[in-house]
Formats: sequence, C-alpha cells, structure tokens
Amino acid sequence: NFMLTQPHSVSESPGKTVTISCTRSSGSIASNYVQWYQQRPGSAPTTVIYEGNQRPSGVPDRFSGSIDSSSNSASLTISGLKTEDEADYYCQSYDSANLCVFGGGTKLTVL
Amino acid sequence: QITLKESGPTLVKPTQNLTLTCTFSGFSLSTSRVIVGWIRQPPGKALEWLALIYWDDDKRYNPSLKSRLTITKDTSINQVVLTMTNMDPVDTATYFCAHAMIGTPFDPWGQGTLVTVSS
Repeated sequence: NFMLTQPHSVSESPGKTVTISCTRSSGSIASNYVQWYQQRPGSAPTTVIYEGNQRPSGVPDRFSGSIDSSSNSASLTISGLKTEDEADYYCQSYDSANLCVFGGGTKLTVL
Repeated sequence: QITLKESGPTLVKPTQNLTLTCTFSGFSLSTSRVIVGWIRQPPGKALEWLALIYWDDDKRYNPSLKSRLTITKDTSINQVVLTMTNMDPVDTATYFCAHAMIGTPFDPWGQGTLVTVSS
C-alpha cells in the first residue's frame, strides 16, 4: 500500500494564501481521486475538496485543489485566509484494491 | 438528509473485544454504489481508516488491522457493526462512521464516539 505525506503544520496571516501538499509515496497520484477534509477541534471532518479539484456546495471558492504529477502530489490551496479556516486538513485517496488511505494531517494556523 | 450515529461502550478493558454500531438514516445500504466506512482518531492524532462495507456486502479492511476487524451490515434496520478484537490501550480513539458512494468522499460523518481502553 502507499502513504500520503502532509506537512505537520503551516501558518499564514489573514488575507494571504496557503498551500498544503499531499505526496503519494508510490503509484500515481492521478490514478485515484484525492479528497480533502477540514476538521475543526471537537468536530467530525467535512469535505472541502473532492475528485481532486471539486468543491461541495457551501464550500467557498477560496478553497481549491490540484494535482501535480511531476511531484506526485495533490495540493489544497486556500486564498484570502480567514481565522475561521484555522483547522486540521487531511487528504485521502484509495489504492487500486479500494483500500483507503489518509494523510497524516496538517494543522493550519491563521495568525 | 443523511445522518449517522455511532454507539457502543465508552470504556473497554485490554484484551476485550469492542463492538460499535453505526445507525444511519436518509439512505439505504442496499442501494447500488453506497458505502459505509469506519475511521478512528486517537486523541491529538491523525485519522486512520479502518474498514468499508459496500451495498453488495463487499468489504475492505485496513491491512494493518485486518486480522482484528469484522464489519457487517443489517440493511433492514439501517445499521453497520464493527467488531475489533483484543483491544489495547493504543486503540483508545474516537471512532467515526461515515457515508460514501463509489467515487465520492466520506460525507457526512457521524459525530464520533470516544472509546477508552484501560484496566
């Protein structure tokens, strides 16, 4: 099976843009969809990006997702940062046998 | 509106087995392409996927925990049950169940239930 590696933490100021990476250890990042979840303290995760770059209804367009095959990574970009964006973010994908994998999570601090 | 809720013991002793129930509404697990998954999260740590069960009773398990896990469904009462054997303090975590469909993310999730493993 493969691993998804995320930075442990990132921080940025309100109004700025931040990008969180998710690197797949083996196999192509493009071979299975990547999802991104936001988890605020004490709450269950919610989806902010699915199928690599799709936003569920209700998620602001400040959130975007992308894939970079050259680095075998997916990225979540949040622009116009707000204090309410402060949370943990997890990427998730599947392998060819439909086994699910989560990344280790990234703590976003907006300061 | 889809909702899911986890239930089960809040405290189990080491070596005991854990049985958790996910009771859901707003969808049927006999409908094509529907999936229910279990995910856990130790305090202060990352999400860890445990198991999936599909509408057609196909199942997938986290390879590192496969020998300890069993997932079953009862579509007549809208429940999915996860059993984990031989519990250890490192299994202390919040356990979530979540809805998905083939090719879609886990959405929504239940509120989670905290299970503590301690003597």
